[in-house]
Amino acid sequence: ETGVTQSPTHLIKTRGQQVTLRCSSQSGHNTVSWYQQALGQGPQFIFQYYREEENGRGNFPPRFSGLQFPNYSSELNVNALELDDSALYLCASSYRLAGRIDTQYFGPGTRLTVL
Amino acid sequence: RKEVEQDPGPFNVPEGATVAFNCTYSNSASQSFFWYRQDCRKEPKLLMSVYSSGNEDGRFTAQLNRASQYISLLIRDSKLSDSATYLCVVSVTNAGNMLTFGGGTRLMVKP
Repeated sequence: ETGVTQSPTHLIKTRGQQVTLRCSSQSGHNTVSWYQQALGQGPQFIFQYYREEENGRGNFPPRFSGLQFPNYSSELNVNALELDDSALYLCASSYRLAGRIDTQYFGPGTRLTVL
Repeated sequence: RKEVEQDPGPFNVPEGATVAFNCTYSNSASQSFFWYRQDCRKEPKLLMSVYSSGNEDGRFTAQLNRASQYISLLIRDSKLSDSATYLCVVSVTNAGNMLTFGGGTRLMVKP
C-alpha cells in the first residue's frame, strides 16, 4: 500500500450540487496532485499543491478548486456539478525538494457519479 | 492530437507469450518517462521508469527513443497476473512534474 488515503470511496451527487473530496498524503510527502479519470481514459491532471499553494493547473475550469493544509492533506472541491464530472478522482502524493519531485504515489481514488 | 498516444488494445495473449506496447508523445520538452499499471477499478501503480539507455526489471523491458518521441514496453513470459491496463506517462520536470497519461493499453493474458 502507498499510504495515500482518500475519502469517500464512492459518492453520488446530482447536477448543480457541490462536492468535496479528501486526500491524506503519505507520511513525509509535501506535494499533492489531483487527477480526473473518466471511464476508459487515462487520468488527466487537474492541479497540484505544494506548501499550501496551487503549483500548476491543467485544463479544468475554475469550478474545480482545492486546498492543502499544514499537515499536507488536501481537498478537491467541485462546484455546479455536471454529468461529465462523473469520474474516478485520484490524488497522488510526492516529495519535492529544491525543484526535484520524486515519484508520485496514488491513492485508491473516489468514484463520483453525477446524476 | 493527444499528447500521449497508445493503442487501446485489448491485446489478448496466451500465458508465456511475449507482448510489446508502444507509445508516442508530442511534447519534445518531456523529461521523465514511466509505465504505470492499472488494475480494473484500482489506482495506477508505477511499474517502471524509462531511461534513454533502456532498462529492464525482470520480465519487463522499457525503451525510450527521444528522437522519435517513442516509448516501448516489452513483457516476456506473460503471466495471468499481468492482465491489466498499462499506462504510458510523461512529465516535464519544470512544470511541477505534472504527469501526462496516455489512454492506456489493455492486456489480457489467457491460460
